[in-house]
Amino acid sequence: GAVVSQHPSRVICKSGTSVKIECRSLDFQATTMFWYRQFPKQSLMLMATSNEGSKATYEQGVEKDKFLINHASLTLSTLTVTSAHPEDSSFYICSARGASGGDTDTQYFGPGTRLTVL
Amino acid sequence: GQNIDQPTEMTATEGAIVQINCTYQTSGFNGLFWYQQHAGEAPTFLSYNVLDGLEEKGRFSSFLSRSKGYSYLLLKELQMKDSASYLCAVMDSNYQLIWGAGTKLIIKP
Repeated sequence: GAVVSQHPSRVICKSGTSVKIECRSLDFQATTMFWYRQFPKQSLMLMATSNEGSKATYEQGVEKDKFLINHASLTLSTLTVTSAHPEDSSFYICSARGASGGDTDTQYFGPGTRLTVL
Repeated sequence: GQNIDQPTEMTATEGAIVQINCTYQTSGFNGLFWYQQHAGEAPTFLSYNVLDGLEEKGRFSSFLSRSKGYSYLLLKELQMKDSASYLCAVMDSNYQLIWGAGTKLIIKP
């Protein structure tokens, strides 16, 4: 089945630094990748949608200059949290949707990255 | 390896009851989540089980048996709006989420 990986799985950083999180589709090409933020025991909050080769579409209230998203290839998207603050501490989850020739509606979710900002 | 199994698709009738099963094999266990996802929307949190037993929330209930690596989501008094995909996810010992592929539930009048 389709596998999505994230790296790193957890990261601790100091306030003011930037952190990059990678999301990879390992065995399929993903034209669309989604970035979510999960609050404890709550729904996943969609932050942005990225299509390969074009600018990401951010949800209302998400600062595009703070959460930089790059979808440079059909298998890799990155989320960079710039000038991180303690309130950015959260669990970030990506998902990927396939290109064609199969189930193009299904999103495959990554295992998540736990970010702790001190 | 780690894996989560749930049926790919289920069909039920409006007003009826449906049970969606989820079995898992993971390295450690720190809770099991159920999410509902309508096409084109973000997943919505339904339940979180970390102890054995049944958790009831209105029309939805979730059951967990850690010894059997098994959970189910029970939906009662089905409504057409319940047509969606239902995702089972387990948090392992490293606090990573292992996701099932989702069960597409089709509700017929």
